[in-house]
Amino acid sequence: GAVVSQHPSWVICKSGTSVKIECRSLDFQATTMFWYRQFPKQSLMLMATSNEGSKATYEQGVEKDKFLINHASLTLSTLTVTSAHPEDSSFYICSASGQLETQYFGPGTRLLVL
Amino acid sequence: KQEVTQIPAALSVPEGENLVLNCSFTDSAIYNLQWFRQDPGKGLTSLLLIQSSQREQTSGRLNASLDKSSGRSTLYIAASQPGDSATYLCAVRGLTGANNLFFGTGTRLTVIP
Repeated sequence: GAVVSQHPSWVICKSGTSVKIECRSLDFQATTMFWYRQFPKQSLMLMATSNEGSKATYEQGVEKDKFLINHASLTLSTLTVTSAHPEDSSFYICSASGQLETQYFGPGTRLLVL
Repeated sequence: KQEVTQIPAALSVPEGENLVLNCSFTDSAIYNLQWFRQDPGKGLTSLLLIQSSQREQTSGRLNASLDKSSGRSTLYIAASQPGDSATYLCAVRGLTGANNLFFGTGTRLTVIP
């Protein structure tokens, strides 16, 4: 099946710094990528949807200037958490879909902001 | 907006028992419904996908049913094993808009050896 990777798998950073998370589709072209956030013991909440070569569409309540999403190629999307704060600590999961529209999920990135 | 609820939130069963996990959704206008497994601190593994025109799907010891009109789906796990211990999430995809999924709150399953 299709494989999606995320890097890094976990990251610890100081408050005020920026963190970039990569999401890659390894064996297919992802026309659409999704970014989800999951707080402890809660379900996944969609943050934004990005199509290759165009601006991301953010869900209500998600600050686009804080969570910068770039989908520059058909195999790579990045999420940058700018000026991270402790409340941004969460599990970030991306998914990717191609022509068949089935979403394939990455293994997730755990972010801890001190 | 679509809301997805899963009951129970947590479940413990002895090994070998059959069990049922429940998922309900408020908007019956769905494209498909999917069940996922999530191990602690890990991503999602897709288990079963049911198209809106289907009533059920089976894979090994897993059987998922869909009653779109009542907004319900069940995941049946036969002869449970300790390796089945994980959080199970259901997610629905709507008919309109982007291909985004609405996730339930999950059921945390523990199978006791």
